[in-house]
Amino acid sequence: GENVEQHPSTLSVQEGDSAVIKCTYSDSASNYFPWYKQELGKRPQLIIDIRSNVGEKKDQRIAVTLNKTAKHFSLHITETQPEDSAVYFCAVFGNQFYFGTGTSLTVIP
Amino acid sequence: KAGVTQTPRYLIKTRGQQVTLSCSPISGHRSVSWYQQTPGQGLQFLFEYFSETQRNKGNFPGRFSGRQFSNSRSEMNVSTLELGDSALYLCASSLKVPGQGDGELFFGEGSRLTVL
Repeated sequence: GENVEQHPSTLSVQEGDSAVIKCTYSDSASNYFPWYKQELGKRPQLIIDIRSNVGEKKDQRIAVTLNKTAKHFSLHITETQPEDSAVYFCAVFGNQFYFGTGTSLTVIP
Repeated sequence: KAGVTQTPRYLIKTRGQQVTLSCSPISGHRSVSWYQQTPGQGLQFLFEYFSETQRNKGNFPGRFSGRQFSNSRSEMNVSTLELGDSALYLCASSLKVPGQGDGELFFGEGSRLTVL
């Protein structure tokens, strides 16, 4: 099956700085790559996604880039704010969803 | 529109017992999937149902089972509970139709199971 690795597992940034989280996957047939945000005690929610026919997608302060050749994709958050503090999960879809192990992001005011 | 509802939210069981968790998807969503969330392991796929049929199953022992009813509500059952089954069990529904690609997952708040 698919093998999804997510790094780093924890990340602390100063408010206003950028944060980058990277995921790698193994199955070249995977074609959908969403990112979910889970605030403490809450349910995961989709924040952005990208499909295999697109290299980059932006939504305000967040962006996702996909490198199909290298089989990795990254989440970029610019101008971080304290409310960005959460656990972020990448996911890969081939015939089912495979999730990364999560990155705990802390934004220091 | 009501979100995904999971019951119970919290439960405590002892080793050897069995447990049933329930999930009501968003109205109109026919795909329901289940995930086990543990610290450091992320979300691990258990199984997916569509129109009362199991479409996919993750790498979990046969003690983990599920079903889906005609109204798309789903239940999962864990028999002969072990300490390692302690986790947050998340259910997600989507508009995904098998064979027509993926779709956004809408998660419930989860059922937190503690096995003593």
